[in-house]
Amino acid sequence: GNSVTQMEGPVTLSEEAFLTINCTYTATGYPSLFWYVQYPGEGLQLLLKATKADDKGSNKGFEATYRKETTSFHLEKGSVQVSDSAVYFCALNLNTGNQFYFGTGTSLTVIP
Amino acid sequence: EPEVTQTPSHQVTQMGQEVILRCVPISNHLYFYWYRQILGQKVEFLVSFYNNEISEKSEIFDDQFSVERPDGSNFTLKIRSTKLEDSAMYFCASKSSAGQETQYFGPGTRLLVL
Repeated sequence: GNSVTQMEGPVTLSEEAFLTINCTYTATGYPSLFWYVQYPGEGLQLLLKATKADDKGSNKGFEATYRKETTSFHLEKGSVQVSDSAVYFCALNLNTGNQFYFGTGTSLTVIP
Repeated sequence: EPEVTQTPSHQVTQMGQEVILRCVPISNHLYFYWYRQILGQKVEFLVSFYNNEISEKSEIFDDQFSVERPDGSNFTLKIRSTKLEDSAMYFCASKSSAGQETQYFGPGTRLLVL
């Protein structure tokens, strides 16, 4: 089947620390991979995506590389800010279908 | 920037009552979705809707659930007779076209069934 497993939270980091949130997937086809972010009181916002193996998605200093060999799409940022505090969701979408398959979300809190 | 909106933000209801969750998708979007997230669990797909009919639904979306686009702007999810296990955050999403992968999500409605 299709599923996404992501790192359990919550994660608490000091400002300027390095962030990694792990995400692995299983898929019956060739998925596109996404990271969505939810800031307090807001909807899920697309952070970045990658549509094929070895693609790197990047946005706002965040990066994730589509690794087919390890079925992973880990989210990284070199230096987090307080404003990055949010819940991060890894997701996949099979291009032939409509629905997204999400992970459970990882809550990140960045402290000054 | 256009966004998906949802009302109410929170709803508390008694078991067995009907609830209607409302969504206003982005205005030129044609594909609409409902997802839910039970506390501590994954965000789960419920249903997709296009051209005034359901295009795909999950096992969760049983006869107690229905969706409707009653006018040109609203997209609603009705739960006919709520159960305790329906307590969750419900997200609406929309996208512009079949070729567009990215779905745009609303802030969610937190439903609590007592």
